[in-house]
Amino acid sequence: EAGVAQSPRYKIIEKRQSVAFWCNPISGHATLYWYQQILGQGPKLLIQFQNNGVVDDSQLPKDRFSAERLKGVDSTLKIQPAKLEDSAVYLCASSLRSNSGGAYEQYFGPGTRLTVT
Amino acid sequence: EDQVTQSPEALRLQEGESSSLNCSYTVSGLRGLFWYRQDPGKGPEFLFTLYSAGEEKEKERLKATLTKKESFLHITAPKPEDSATYLCAVQLNRDDKIIFGKGTRLHILP
Repeated sequence: EAGVAQSPRYKIIEKRQSVAFWCNPISGHATLYWYQQILGQGPKLLIQFQNNGVVDDSQLPKDRFSAERLKGVDSTLKIQPAKLEDSAVYLCASSLRSNSGGAYEQYFGPGTRLTVT
Repeated sequence: EDQVTQSPEALRLQEGESSSLNCSYTVSGLRGLFWYRQDPGKGPEFLFTLYSAGEEKEKERLKATLTKKESFLHITAPKPEDSATYLCAVQLNRDDKIIFGKGTRLHILP
């Protein structure tokens, strides 16, 4: 079974530039998550999709971050304009349905390491 | 406020020296608690899900346990390849939100 794919793996940009990350979840997984992980910290949820609808985006800085999941499969996360404090690893994860009464484990991609200079 | 706290932040052990990692949580309603392993430069890798107090799960040298307030990840006779960051996460009943702890960095010396 193929895992969660992410690209690019690394990105270096200057502040005020824009950047986009792509994620392809495990086939059949209805729930997709984007996390931000700063060095030495645990992952922080940015946005959660159920199919192509947003379940939780309460911690997404909506003035600069946006995300979409077209056709309930692939997803993109965009930052525009980037700030120095956005330097982090951006992780995508997927799972089976999360709101059917069960707790489903997440499967993570390798992440994209973003450096903003 | 819902919170997940892991301790210690870092732990160095000699090969074969057993120990436990702690994950304490304060949440309004627990749907499940997860343990993940994260190697440098990689995404977290799923280890266990625990649902209710008293539950235990084992995999090789790892055993996870759950009480109403905390979970322990016991590592028995660890090997250098067990070196990694171990993350705990909880999923809430009310809105399915998932909250991660900051992790414990485990280093096993040969």
